[in-house]
Amino acid sequence: EDKVVQSPLSLVVHEGDTVTLNCSYEVTNFRSLLWYKQEKKAPTFLFMLTSSGIEKKSGRLSSILDKKELFSILNITATQTGDSAIYLCAVSSGGSNYKLTFGKGTLLTVNP
Amino acid sequence: GAVVSQHPSRVICKSGTSVKIECRSLDFQATTMFWYRQFPKQSLMLMATSNEGSKATYEQGVEKDKFLINHASLTLSTLTVTSAHPEDSSFYICSARVGGVGGTQYFGPGTRLLVL
Repeated sequence: EDKVVQSPLSLVVHEGDTVTLNCSYEVTNFRSLLWYKQEKKAPTFLFMLTSSGIEKKSGRLSSILDKKELFSILNITATQTGDSAIYLCAVSSGGSNYKLTFGKGTLLTVNP
Repeated sequence: GAVVSQHPSRVICKSGTSVKIECRSLDFQATTMFWYRQFPKQSLMLMATSNEGSKATYEQGVEKDKFLINHASLTLSTLTVTSAHPEDSSFYICSARVGGVGGTQYFGPGTRLLVL
């Protein structure tokens, strides 16, 4: 059975701090790893990673994938209160449908 | 781009009734859409994969006769919860895949179902 494990499950920081969120996976026939941000409603897409060692960046957020160690990290620098959310890691695997398996998420709270 | 809508956003119904949830891709065509369920403080669990013009593929443990999926066009998939019971109360989220196999999934805003 495909498995995606995120850590920590929750994290509380102050504005301006830098955080690193972790995601490890065990899946059959890996295709890609995705990061989503979920606030009150449905997840919004952040990154899709398919190749090892290539960092993807968007503003203060960045992410990298290690396919040898089956691991990804999501970094957020200079955190702001608006970064408070649940960050979900998902892995696309399997056959023609490329279904996503989600981790339980990391609840990030950024205090002013 | 890549906007997905869901309707309704919230529904309250009596036990035994059926509820239909619509998922639409607004600015792109989606051959494949996915239906997820999320219980409080839990992650998203894939229920089924909906392919336009063919039968949905259900995940293990999901009753296909209870959760009817219809994907009649490239921009619309519907999930009908038949004979809903209180334990079906949950947050139902759909996603639509952009660009075919391997493409990114974009999520709708979700539908919160409460069955009394």
